[in-house]
Amino acid sequence: ETGVTQSPTHLIKTRGQQVTLRCSSQSGHNTVSWYQQALGQGPQFIFQYYREEENGRGNFPPRFSGLQFPNYSSELNVNALELDDSALYLCASSLRGTDGYTFGSGTRLTVV
Amino acid sequence: KQEVTQIPAALSVPEGENLVLNCSFTDSAIYNLQWFRQDPGKGLTSLLLIQSSQREQTSGRLNASLDKSSGRSTLYIAASQPGDSATYLCAVGGIQGAQKLVFGQGTRLTINP
Repeated sequence: ETGVTQSPTHLIKTRGQQVTLRCSSQSGHNTVSWYQQALGQGPQFIFQYYREEENGRGNFPPRFSGLQFPNYSSELNVNALELDDSALYLCASSLRGTDGYTFGSGTRLTVV
Repeated sequence: KQEVTQIPAALSVPEGENLVLNCSFTDSAIYNLQWFRQDPGKGLTSLLLIQSSQREQTSGRLNASLDKSSGRSTLYIAASQPGDSATYLCAVGGIQGAQKLVFGQGTRLTINP
């Protein structure tokens, strides 16, 4: 049973650019969520996908968008990057959400 | 709006001690509560999941309790070891809408040899 894998592990982008982060969910999981974790803070919910549909969104602007694919892998896209977008981005998958979540190792994004 | 608070923010204890980490939440209408461990710069490792109908869960030296009515959970670590040094996060899974997790800010634990 494979866990949640994220790529890339580290990324440096310039303000105003666009970035795509990728996540492969744990085998058998159909729900994927994305979280942003600023340094020294707890993770903040960005959005969640269930069977390729967004079914929940946190307090993040529309320039944060996502996709879930038929194999339940997912992408997080961020447009018009700002310095405050620098953070650890975590992907989590679950079978039903009520069974708990498995997290990946995260992508460290630095915006300069 | 669910809010989760963890106290203390940091804790340093000598090796071998038993310790308790605290987590409180404002809305008792939850599906579950999950405790995670995070090493510096790394992702989250799930330690224990407590469903809303349960009172506690145990795994090895770890025991987590849940009291929904008072909005509290505790993580008990027995016989602490230097390898337990990490940040511990609790997260509450809500009932309404998407099963998003609301996290506390974590307790940074240091076990001194």
